[in-house]
This record gives sequence, structure tokens and C-alpha cells, in this order.
Amino acid sequence: QQQVKQSPQSLIVQKGGISIINCAYENTAFDYFPWYQQFPGKGPALLIAIRPDVSEKKEGRFTISFNKSAKQFSLHIMDSQPGDSATYFCAAGWSGTYKYIFGTGTRLKVLA
Amino acid sequence: GAVVSQHPSRVICKSGTSVKIECRSLDFQATTMFWYRQFPKQSLMLMATSNEGSKATYEQGVEKDKFLINHASLTLSTLTVTSAHPEDSSFYICSAPVGVNQPQHFGDGTRLSIL
Repeated sequence: QQQVKQSPQSLIVQKGGISIINCAYENTAFDYFPWYQQFPGKGPALLIAIRPDVSEKKEGRFTISFNKSAKQFSLHIMDSQPGDSATYFCAAGWSGTYKYIFGTGTRLKVLA
Repeated sequence: GAVVSQHPSRVICKSGTSVKIECRSLDFQATTMFWYRQFPKQSLMLMATSNEGSKATYEQGVEKDKFLINHASLTLSTLTVTSAHPEDSSFYICSAPVGVNQPQHFGDGTRLSIL
């Protein structure tokens, strides 16, 4: 019940294309859903986050879509660029405790 | 923005050595910090929650005597890997929430290699 399932494991997208990464959770107590971007040898950097009372949040080229009834959320990267090539992790957490459960990660490669 | 600094970035040492990793919140106070472990091409696994002024809370399966955590001030948490062995080689990352209902910010990690 604590798992966060993430797919796909890896993704190759042409420059300018849309990258879509999906996550699903089971525990309805989660109330915070961040996405992190990680480059090799670096710690994760917060990309965008959403709370369950919102169905969509957009920041620049990054959009989170949230489906509370299906217990799913996804990250869309519009106009994907080679610099977006990184590993992306979704996470689910309890804002009161700050604890996160991370997804398994998606390695994105954007071809020039 | 909020910055979490981790030191050292890389450690290579012999088996049996104890290694200390520092995690600092640079421009905010953190009563709680988190320590994660990440194996190559895998996800982050939460090891423990570091609590300022009290004992750390360890996740199931994490050896408390192996991974000593001290959170002596509002800006510093340390993780000591005691009597490290090759199987302890990993990428260790700390994080801290900026404030109430705020996201966690991560350090850049420490690559630990035990020979």
C-alpha cells in the first residue's frame, strides 16, 4: 500500500516532442505529489508538485495531471529538449510528516 | 532558493573504516532531515528521519548501529557509516523540508566507495 508505481522505466523522445511519465499510488492518505529531476551524480531537484485538490498544474513546459479517483498522476514535458535528458522520479508524501515514497524512476533521453 | 549542502561529495576508503557525512541547511532551519540511499539506476530508499534534539527514526531493515545519525543543531545532520564494508558502497543523499507543508530539498549526495 506504500508503493508508488512509475512507468515507463525508460523513454526516448525526439526534440520538440512530448514526454509523458505516469505514476500510480495506493495509499489515499498521500496528500502531496512532487516530481524530481536527477542528473547523474547529483541529488534530485524539485521540478513541480501538486496536491490532490487540484487536477492539473502547469509550470513552463512541465505539467502535472492528477486523477484522484484513479489514484494516478502524470508528468508531461512539452517541447522536450536534449537538456531535459535525466532521470525523473515521482513521489507521494504526507505533508504533515514530510516523508516521501519515491517511484522507481524514468530515464528520459531526448534526441537532438 | 533553499539550499541543502552535503559534504563530502565523494569518499573512497578501506573496509572497516567509519565514514561521516554531513548535511547542512544553508539558509533555513530544519528540525527534520531525511537520509536516503540510492543504488545505481535505482530509486531513492528512505533510510531514516533525523530529528533535531532527539533520536532518529529508522525505516524497517535499516541497522541503527550501522548507520548512526546525529542532528545536534537546526542546520546540521550527520550520518556515520560505522565499520563500512563494500556492500555499504552507495550514493547517500540527504534532504530537508523548507518549512511546514513545503517540499523537500535535496543535497547533491555523497558517493561512498568502500574498497
